[in-house]
Amino acid sequence: GAVVSQHPSRVICKSGTSVKIECRSLDFQATTMFWYRQFPKQSLMLMATSNEGSKATYEQGVEKDKFLINHASLTLSTLTVTSAHPEDSSFYICSARDRPSGGRETQYFGPGTRLLVL
Amino acid sequence: QKEVEQNSGPLSVPEGAIASLNCTYSDRGSQSFFWYRQYSGKSPELIMFIYSNGDKEDGRFTAQLNKASQYVSLLIRDSQPSDSATYLCAVGSADSWGKLQFGAGTQVVVTP
Repeated sequence: GAVVSQHPSRVICKSGTSVKIECRSLDFQATTMFWYRQFPKQSLMLMATSNEGSKATYEQGVEKDKFLINHASLTLSTLTVTSAHPEDSSFYICSARDRPSGGRETQYFGPGTRLLVL
Repeated sequence: QKEVEQNSGPLSVPEGAIASLNCTYSDRGSQSFFWYRQYSGKSPELIMFIYSNGDKEDGRFTAQLNKASQYVSLLIRDSQPSDSATYLCAVGSADSWGKLQFGAGTQVVVTP
């Protein structure tokens, strides 16, 4: 399957700082990427849809000014958690949509970034 | 509210037996269906996708889809301890291209 990477895999920061997470599709171009958040023992919750060259679409209840998304190229989307607080501590996972010519589209997930805000 | 429902488990399966996981969804217009496996502390890994009614087999995995009943299932044959994980059912939204709605997941424990 297609490969999606995330960086960093783990980050610990102080409350009030900003953290940037990168999501890259390594062997395909992804016009659309998705950002999810997963709290312990819960399922994935979609935060926003990141579209290359346009503004991200946020799900209800997700603050767009707090979670800044930039999709500057067909292989890179970034999520910046601004002024992070302990309640933002979570597992952040991106996925990239692959639509091969002649095939059906599927989504592949990055390995995730574990954020701990102290 | 569009929903995807799964039994949370844990589903205990003896090694070598068949694990059967079920998923129901509420959005009748959904056209794409996925099963992901998630090990503890890791991100989901795509196992199967299915778009048409009927069965789709890939190795030890078989996905079954019944759109009329809004039901999708996953069978794992010859279960191995390495299959112990949480299995997430995901349904493609009919009105928002590419967005997936996830179930809460079913935890599977394969006992030697």
